[in-house]
Amino acid sequence: TQLLEQSPQFLSIQEGENLTVYCNSSSVFSSLQWYRQEPGEGPVLLVTVVTGGEVKKLKRLTFQFGDARKDSSLHITAAQPGDTGLYLCAGPTSSGTYKYIFGTGTRLKVLA
Amino acid sequence: DAGITQSPRHKVTETGTPVTLRCHQTENHRYMYWYRQDPGHGLRLIHYSYGVKDTDKGEVSDGYSVSRSKTEDFLLTLESATSSQTSVYFCAISEPGPSTDTQYFGPGTRLTVL
Repeated sequence: TQLLEQSPQFLSIQEGENLTVYCNSSSVFSSLQWYRQEPGEGPVLLVTVVTGGEVKKLKRLTFQFGDARKDSSLHITAAQPGDTGLYLCAGPTSSGTYKYIFGTGTRLKVLA
Repeated sequence: DAGITQSPRHKVTETGTPVTLRCHQTENHRYMYWYRQDPGHGLRLIHYSYGVKDTDKGEVSDGYSVSRSKTEDFLLTLESATSSQTSVYFCAISEPGPSTDTQYFGPGTRLTVL
């Protein structure tokens, strides 16, 4: 059974600090996605990484896919209160039927 | 924003009653999904559909059934609701292709089973 484990589960930091969120698995994924979810809303896709070792940047957010395609990280530089939310990683199951599994999520709170 | 609506947005029901949640899309996407979200579990797939009348089970399908008679509508039914089905339910749509596999999520339905 494929699993995606995220750490930490909760993170509370001051505005301006840097942070890293991790998404780990013992399984190889063809790609991994990162979503952000705000309270009362559905998740919204931030990025998809598809190549081992790939690094993608989205303003102050940097996403990396592990060389072995078993893990990914999200690094936020100079966090702002607007970054507050639930961050979820997701990956397609090995069945190739466009079914996805999601990580347990990291709840981030950035204090002004 | 992708055109996805869910109804109802909130529902309180009693154990043993049937409940149907509706997901409606205006994007003509082939794939539609039902997830539940519970603290500590992230999003878990209940059922999904890859076309009209084509559906398959996800990891937590027990106690749930689905139907898709039209491209735009995907219904999730709890035949006899139990307290363990209290959750927030999200519908998602997708049109996978060579360069995209984005899922677009609806606003969610909060279901409470007393």
